Amino acid sequence: DTGVSQNPRHKITKRGQNVTFRCDPISEHNRLYWYRQTLGQGPEFLTYFQNEAQLEKSRLLSDRFSAERPKGSFSTLEIQRTEQGDSAMYLCASSLPELSQQISYEQYFGPGTRLTVT
Amino acid sequence: DAKTTQPNSMESNEEEPVHLPCNHSTISGTDYIHWYRQLPSQGPEYVIHGLTSNVNNRMASLAIAEDRKSSTLILHRATLRDAAVYYCILRDRGQNFVFGPGTRLSVLP
Repeated sequence: DTGVSQNPRHKITKRGQNVTFRCDPISEHNRLYWYRQTLGQGPEFLTYFQNEAQLEKSRLLSDRFSAERPKGSFSTLEIQRTEQGDSAMYLCASSLPELSQQISYEQYFGPGTRLTVT
Repeated sequence: DAKTTQPNSMESNEEEPVHLPCNHSTISGTDYIHWYRQLPSQGPEYVIHGLTSNVNNRMASLAIAEDRKSSTLILHRATLRDAAVYYCILRDRGQNFVFGPGTRLSVLP
């Protein structure tokens, strides 16, 4: 399968614990995005990478959140000292870089990791 | 904040066409109009996008008003598998996607 994959698909953790999610993008995609989605809402942008460089972070990404993409391939999103408000679906997406003025490349999303903080 | 307005929900009968509207009165000249949809328990998937001209692909058609302040996603024959939340998003090249709550489409057999 050549789509975006995310692991784990579900994670239940107790408040205060740390969790880490992994995203494997489509192999030729240089850009990788993380989003968070709560029930009944559309996805909210968190951060994105161009290769291994983290180029933008949303103000939603508190200092308890950290994302890495060490070799420009897979990425991890870690949440430290989880809170109940962190319960959400965490989505990863990838795309080609936008090199042309005329083209807006679509993003390909993974199935998400559903986090439940008890 | 999302720069688009969509109805919260719509219903369609199976095998009939569906027209999903989107208003974007503050669109700028370089904003692309993107449509994504999210099936239950899945991540969003790309449907179509356009800038000025109407666009067609195997999934849908995108009709863009002449003043670009509104657009319509057209599913020519709805199937049960088309039941999803449909998001209309404005995005300038290099910017990030800002999703609103979208339109929840129900398809009745």
